[in-house]
Amino acid sequence: SAVISQKPSRDICQRGTSLTIQCQVDSQVTMMFWYRQQPGQSLTLIATANQGSEATYESGFVIDKFPISRPNLTFSTLTVSNMSPEDSSIYLCSVVKGQGAFFGQGTRLTVV
Amino acid sequence: KNQVEQSPQSLIILEGKNCTLQCNYTVSPFSNLRWYKQDTGRGPVSLTIMTFSENTKSNGRYTATLDADTKQSSLHITASQLSDSASYICVVSAGGSQGNLIFGKGTKLSVKP
Repeated sequence: SAVISQKPSRDICQRGTSLTIQCQVDSQVTMMFWYRQQPGQSLTLIATANQGSEATYESGFVIDKFPISRPNLTFSTLTVSNMSPEDSSIYLCSVVKGQGAFFGQGTRLTVV
Repeated sequence: KNQVEQSPQSLIILEGKNCTLQCNYTVSPFSNLRWYKQDTGRGPVSLTIMTFSENTKSNGRYTATLDADTKQSSLHITASQLSDSASYICVVSAGGSQGNLIFGKGTKLSVKP
């Protein structure tokens, strides 16, 4: 199993500002995944964070909007840049160990 | 196109009653199917995971079934409790990349006293 500590758990931000979300895993993992969950919707993969290389972004997501850092095998950050109300969502980090996928507690972001 | 469809979208039951949630998928190749419980504003927590060869798996009052031929799964909750109120998400792994997970939209379960 894996335990992921994600913070902040929630934030209310002004439009045009940026928020950085952090995830710390209790063990080393090759890949970490960042998801967005808009109200009433399923999880959508934003990007895969690889240690030592650029993150891989899914269609519709770009690095300028969602820059990701992965300085080591247990930590990653996702920044939501130049926020607008449409960015209000729950953001989740995840890792896969064995057959299981494990998630952080989520960050509930509200942009006003 | 890989898809996971869940039904019903929402469900209200009385405390102590049983319920069954459905998941149909069209995912290929198939690696495994997972059920998660997601409390409001929290991250999903794994309930069960089943591979192709497994038909049923239990976790306390939660029992998941898998029919790989019809590509259907169900999650049965027995003797529901107020704390079971949450969204239940069916997730199918398409194998290959570890991040190749296909998420259903979830069933929102409300257990009333």
